[in-house]
Amino acid sequence: DSGVTQTPKHLITATGQRVTLRCSPRSGDLSVYWYQQSLDQGLQFLIQYYNGEERAKGNILERFSAQQFPDLHSELNLSSLELGDSALYFCASSHTSGRNTGELFFGEGSRLTVL
Amino acid sequence: DQQVKQNSPSLSVQEGRISILNCDYTNSMFDYFLWYKKYPAEGPTFLISISSIKDKNEDGRFTVFLNKSAKHLSLHIVPSQPGDSAVYFCAASAFASYDKVIFGPGTSLSVIP
Repeated sequence: DSGVTQTPKHLITATGQRVTLRCSPRSGDLSVYWYQQSLDQGLQFLIQYYNGEERAKGNILERFSAQQFPDLHSELNLSSLELGDSALYFCASSHTSGRNTGELFFGEGSRLTVL
Repeated sequence: DQQVKQNSPSLSVQEGRISILNCDYTNSMFDYFLWYKKYPAEGPTFLISISSIKDKNEDGRFTVFLNKSAKHLSLHIVPSQPGDSAVYFCAASAFASYDKVIFGPGTSLSVIP
């Protein structure tokens, strides 16, 4: 158990819809990362927050947005969903007050299926 | 533009033998490299890392080698065990953009009893 909690574990929805994925980081961790893993693809970095502020952005679509709340949990919002958005979405956390070496703790992921 | 590459999607090894997983990177700004292991239905877990100031780091049965001039790193598992069967991701981060951790596509390792 990494200590990172993601909900829901599975989600099935239709094209055009909007969903919200939630992540609770490990106790004390200030950084939250979101990654997308599509079929046969690696982990694509989407976005990172540190203590409520956006720190780094990857290949995140404009239809996607995220935020980190004062209690440090994070939400990833996916809107106008397309078939290609079907993927496993991972949240990871780390406790960094500065240089991050990349040692992240991952949740079990949220599997999104868009029909 | 794939900055971290793992050109072997899969690898099969006999139990007790050595497993060698390879990783290449293109961004010369990367200065910290990691390997993660992922079992089905679980999130990736950190396995071992190496800083660019080193060329080798060892942790039990796992050793990571870094060749900066070739922009290449490898993970050696000796001896391989059936429980090592998993997908292994190579990852890298750069001081200049230290919040981005870039992952490769992964290599699926099967250790055959």
